[in-house]
Amino acid sequence: QSVLTQPPSVSGAPGQRVTISCTGSSSNIGAGYDVHWYQQLPGTAPKLLIYGNSNRPSGVPDRFSGSKSGTSASLAITGLQAEDEADYYCQSYDSSLSGPAVFGGGTQLTVL
Amino acid sequence: QVQLVQSGAEVKKPGASVKVSCKASGYTFTSYGISWVRQAPGQGLEWMGWISAYNGNTNYAQKLQGRVTMTTDTSTSTAYMELRSLRSDDTAVYYCARGELLGDFDYWGQGTLVTVSS
Repeated sequence: QSVLTQPPSVSGAPGQRVTISCTGSSSNIGAGYDVHWYQQLPGTAPKLLIYGNSNRPSGVPDRFSGSKSGTSASLAITGLQAEDEADYYCQSYDSSLSGPAVFGGGTQLTVL
Repeated sequence: QVQLVQSGAEVKKPGASVKVSCKASGYTFTSYGISWVRQAPGQGLEWMGWISAYNGNTNYAQKLQGRVTMTTDTSTSTAYMELRSLRSDDTAVYYCARGELLGDFDYWGQGTLVTVSS
């Protein structure tokens, strides 16, 4: 059971917009700690997609955006493309015994 | 360019130990920490612990306390993760990732598959 809760799967057609939620608690996201997002393509290592809640590393398309509010965060992907099909993970800091670094359970994105 | 290159796959028997290496290049090794993250087959990511490459300070996940040791060799810019008393549920791909304890992980190694089987 992950400290950060993500939907197991989401899907969308090419060109559409999808969002992936990451729900935490008062000991992690709600305590003000940053949320980061990673993309893991099949058979590869995770790649940093969003850091500090809403910042994109160099080279990450602006189709990807992040936000945070209260005890939750979200990753939005617009203009969905076939190559976006991957697993997505949120990560934050937790001040309880679960941490300090914690990941969400991951969300599998299917491009229909 | 920043690179983290890990050692090759390992097969171990239950009760044995494994030591995985992570050689860094393309940046000043002592300016960043290294976290270790594992992923069991078909499962999500699990943070194992972190080591400061500057002073060797460590912070381990509670569930692995007593079984894991993380070290660095600054002369070769290499981080190591040793896991002892291996069990079948330690079978996973082990990743090293650059970053600070409270921050993001901006570069990752390619992963090392550790299989624990009798």
